[in-house]
Amino acid sequence: GAVVSQHPSRVICKSGTSVKIECRSLDFQATTMFWYRQFPKQSLMLMATSNEGSKATYEQGVEKDKFLINHASLTLSTLTVTSAHPEDSSFYICSADAGRAGNQPQHFGDGTRLSIL
Amino acid sequence: AQSVSQHNHHVILSEAASLELGCNYSYGGTVNLFWYVQYPGQHLQLLLKYFSGDPLVKGIKGFEAEFIKSKFSFNLRKPSVQWSDTAEYFCAVNPSGTYKYIFGTGTRLKVLA
Repeated sequence: GAVVSQHPSRVICKSGTSVKIECRSLDFQATTMFWYRQFPKQSLMLMATSNEGSKATYEQGVEKDKFLINHASLTLSTLTVTSAHPEDSSFYICSADAGRAGNQPQHFGDGTRLSIL
Repeated sequence: AQSVSQHNHHVILSEAASLELGCNYSYGGTVNLFWYVQYPGQHLQLLLKYFSGDPLVKGIKGFEAEFIKSKFSFNLRKPSVQWSDTAEYFCAVNPSGTYKYIFGTGTRLKVLA
């Protein structure tokens, strides 16, 4: 089946640094990828939709200058958390969709646990 | 606002017991519905999906779910759980024609051997 690889799986870094998370579709081309954030005991919240070759679409309340998304190819999207602070600590999950909107389930990566000290 | 409610946050069952996890959503239009499962230390995996047709959907590992449109519900069921079903289960709603998925808060199931 379709595989989505997310790297790294865990990051611990100091406040003020920037962290890049990669999301790759390994055996299919993903025209659209998604970035979610999950707080403990809460649901996955969609942060942004990443479209290959164009600007990402951010959900309301998500700072686009804080969470930079680049979808440079059909198999790779990156999320960069810029100048990270402890409140950015969370579990970030990407997913990918190869089909037209709504006709195929999304495939999820393993997630990245980000801890900012 | 669109939302998905999973009323059971934690469920503990003995092996062979029957399972039903509730999922209700608020959205007036046509939707696609999903149940995902996340086993400990693993990524989200699709359990079953509903797009159209028979509202009773059968998924992997003996799970099934029934879409009741009038109740905006998509409850997950399994007649006899196994220890290996211990996991977290997420219901998700996708408004048709969009990429957006709205997830419930998840239900953590623990099956005692």
